[in-house]
Amino acid sequence: DTAVSQTPKYLVTQMGNDKSIKCEQNLGHDTMYWYKQDSKKFLKIMFSYNNKELIINETVPNRFSPKSPDKAHLNLHINSLELGDSAVYFCASSQPGTVGTQYFGPGTRLLVL
Amino acid sequence: GESVGLHLPTLSVQEGDNSIINCAYSNSASDYFIWYKQESGKGPQFIIDIRSNMDKRQGQRVTVLLNKTVKHLSLQIAATQPGDSAVYFCADVTSGTYKYIFGTGTRLKVLA
Repeated sequence: DTAVSQTPKYLVTQMGNDKSIKCEQNLGHDTMYWYKQDSKKFLKIMFSYNNKELIINETVPNRFSPKSPDKAHLNLHINSLELGDSAVYFCASSQPGTVGTQYFGPGTRLLVL
Repeated sequence: GESVGLHLPTLSVQEGDNSIINCAYSNSASDYFIWYKQESGKGPQFIIDIRSNMDKRQGQRVTVLLNKTVKHLSLQIAATQPGDSAVYFCADVTSGTYKYIFGTGTRLKVLA
């Protein structure tokens, strides 16, 4: 009965590769997010989708492309991975309408070698 | 980026004592504030929230105080327990923007 799930939990890959991280929520939320957490624990929003529509796109390299096939899923595809992409990536979701609590997934630990 | 040069502040408290974790925010338009707890290897977990029309809200063992004049938020944990050891984040957001801004985080260590 996991609320927000992410796969994979760990991802180790070589520089230059392309990889995807998947996120699913079963909370019935309309809004989903991707965050990047660096080694100093700083959490920064990357993207946000509301009802499959992109509403936030921070200054993220265009090697990162989110895709929302439906309201319950928000996937993150990363092209030409670089060393600096190593981080923990968190997916989150929140209820529609006025701002509310975000529910986070367990994170995907990406290590680029 | 904002995290360059910053290290995670640490608060060490004795088990049973009260803890106070502070946070400053910069956006005067923010009207919703949240505290999250992040345990090692897990995602942030909601603790308590407060809207800008309030200055205090209490939960179970936790209290959030909001001072909009100085743009300051604090989280008080009563009778701190070993299970409270984690990194705590504040976040603020303006209604209608969906852009949640997280603080740098504070690591809470509970000493036995």
